[in-house]
Amino acid sequence: ETGVTQTPRHLVMGMTNKKSLKCEQHLGHNAMYWYKQSAKKPLELMFVYSLEERVENNSVPSRFSPECPNSSHLFLHLHTLQPEDSALYLCASSQVRGWGEQFFGPGTRLTVL
Amino acid sequence: AQSVTQPDIHITVSEGASLELRCNYSYGATPYLFWYVQSPGQGLQLLLKYFSGDTLVQGIKGFEAEFKRSQSSFNLRKPSVHWSDAAEYFCAVGSAGGTSYGKLTFGQGTILTVHP
Repeated sequence: ETGVTQTPRHLVMGMTNKKSLKCEQHLGHNAMYWYKQSAKKPLELMFVYSLEERVENNSVPSRFSPECPNSSHLFLHLHTLQPEDSALYLCASSQVRGWGEQFFGPGTRLTVL
Repeated sequence: AQSVTQPDIHITVSEGASLELRCNYSYGATPYLFWYVQSPGQGLQLLLKYFSGDTLVQGIKGFEAEFKRSQSSFNLRKPSVHWSDAAEYFCAVGSAGGTSYGKLTFGQGTILTVHP
């Protein structure tokens, strides 16, 4: 695998389910990001991790819970989501926080019923 | 706060025609500027970036962009569009300091349709 990978690519879940999104970067980067991409809205930054420490949380509801066990892996744990949470969730990484380009994964298309 | 405006939601051009996608930003200091492209069902791919130096930057796939500080603009151009350029294009501004260190702010995106 190369670049940034995300699994699953598609996920359908009910409002009472608990699921997790996984992101893995194979680039040796130290910073990782979660973004939400909804129809007709700009990309929204959700969380930033730098060297496995969460450094930014953009007022994201607590039903989204990130986890970064090491610099290569990032998870987004989901529970009791709402239909308006349906979106494309993108993971990205960069060599260091705040410098250089961010490399994006293909995203997970989430549908909440 | 930083912000990005892409005035054109949807642009249609003929294959072989020239292209210019507009981007205006608001940022208090020297910005870091990016153009990304997203094909359907895919993540974002970096086309080019501006950090400092020459205000005309070259990117992949024959794209270029010009940073104009006086106009707060970073427009993307391509002299001859190919059908494979049909996608959605995002302009972004990055911060290098303060509490938003490392944050990218994206525009709404411009959808490009290419007619044969």
